Amino acid sequence: GAGVSQSPRYKVAKRGQDVALRCDPISGHVSLFWYQQALGQGPEFLTYFQNEAQLDKSGLPSDRFFAERPEGSVSTLKIQRTQQEDSAVYLCASSLNRGKHEKLFFGSGTQLSVL
Amino acid sequence: QKEVEQDPGPLSVPEGAIVSLNCTYSNSAFQYFMWYRQYSRKGPELLMYTYSSGNKEDGRFTAQVDKSSKYISLFIRDSQPSDSATYLCAMRFDNAGNMLTFGGGTRLMVKP
Repeated sequence: GAGVSQSPRYKVAKRGQDVALRCDPISGHVSLFWYQQALGQGPEFLTYFQNEAQLDKSGLPSDRFFAERPEGSVSTLKIQRTQQEDSAVYLCASSLNRGKHEKLFFGSGTQLSVL
Repeated sequence: QKEVEQDPGPLSVPEGAIVSLNCTYSNSAFQYFMWYRQYSRKGPELLMYTYSSGNKEDGRFTAQVDKSSKYISLFIRDSQPSDSATYLCAMRFDNAGNMLTFGGGTRLMVKP
């Protein structure tokens, strides 16, 4: 596709439900990132993949958060037993990963509301 | 205290004005500095990318980095209503790839 695609665009979950957020990066992009953006705040780094390998997950807020990219393309961010504090926009981004000064392309995000 | 501080605004200016947006940061190890523009309900879009100290110009946009003061700026000349958006500064360490630390964003409104 032309850009990074995320689905669903909006997700409403009841507290305690599990949710899965999908990211389709730009075709051929090796690196994939997940960021969390709370209302009125800047994005915060969650986790990073290079191909199928998760190289950094230091930003995941708790063990309820899990991300995977099994075939090195599509990625899924899963949140178990959602809490109200998980309400945020979850942004996926990808980059070509050819050299240091590579541009990061963001999707429009999934807005998660936990009631 | 956050690592990267940015005045949230909103900043309201008339069309054609020069806009100055700023960020301060606390970690002197940051080496790469970026400005992103984010329209409502969209993802951030890269505007400017600067390595270490100095100035960089691209059309109506100028980015400045002063590492000695831990202060970065973005100037927008001849501002247009289409520039109305949230502007996020971001920075990273030398070997951190695209693991970025963002400021909270400044909301800019350019009035016709």
